[in-house]
Amino acid sequence: DTEVTQTPKHLVMGMTNKKSLKCEQHMGHRAMYWYKQKAKKPPELMFVYSYEKLSINESVPSRFSPECPNSSLLNLHLHALQPEDSALYLCASSQAFRESHSYEQYFGPGTRLTVT
Amino acid sequence: GQNIDQPTEMTATEGAIVQINCTYQTSGFNGLFWYQQHAGEAPTFLSYNVLDGLEEKGRFSSFLSRSKGYSYLLLKELQMKDSASYLCAVRDLQTDKLIFGTGTRLQVFP
Repeated sequence: DTEVTQTPKHLVMGMTNKKSLKCEQHMGHRAMYWYKQKAKKPPELMFVYSYEKLSINESVPSRFSPECPNSSLLNLHLHALQPEDSALYLCASSQAFRESHSYEQYFGPGTRLTVT
Repeated sequence: GQNIDQPTEMTATEGAIVQINCTYQTSGFNGLFWYQQHAGEAPTFLSYNVLDGLEEKGRFSSFLSRSKGYSYLLLKELQMKDSASYLCAVRDLQTDKLIFGTGTRLQVFP
């Protein structure tokens, strides 16, 4: 199973709403990632979790709050977002740093978020 | 700092061969990845190079020259379904982060 799943596929939310994006993998990967991707742009790294601990936060605004409840799950909690936060949010997983030589990242299908 | 350059767009004909170049400057290099991304979909892994030379995988090959900070992705026997964006990404040695280039949008015509 080389699949990363994400829910929901699409999300429309108002600027005062609170919502969560979910990501799951069962490949035994101990590194999980959140990326934001705008149209016709490459993915931009937001957060990295390694062994369920936050290892990288790319100066993301606090209205985005990641959570890693266990080694298979990764959440992104959203609160008071702005219209410019509308984007495709991609989750990825890989073997952890130094566990493997190549450790390519496997991406989920993404959640297309629209903030109104 | 890091800088990764790829052509923005390329076009090619079905059945042809196309080479997508990627040049990079990084403070620490720990491997180069190529991903394919169809519009509205997630990136999918194509290849990984960490040593100089050519890696071949079916119709796709990837080449790396670390001394020149250069890689290319070679696509042979192009098919219409190869129309997609191709992302070059370099892994940073210190942070292990993947730094993506802006991507090359390839359009294959019949």
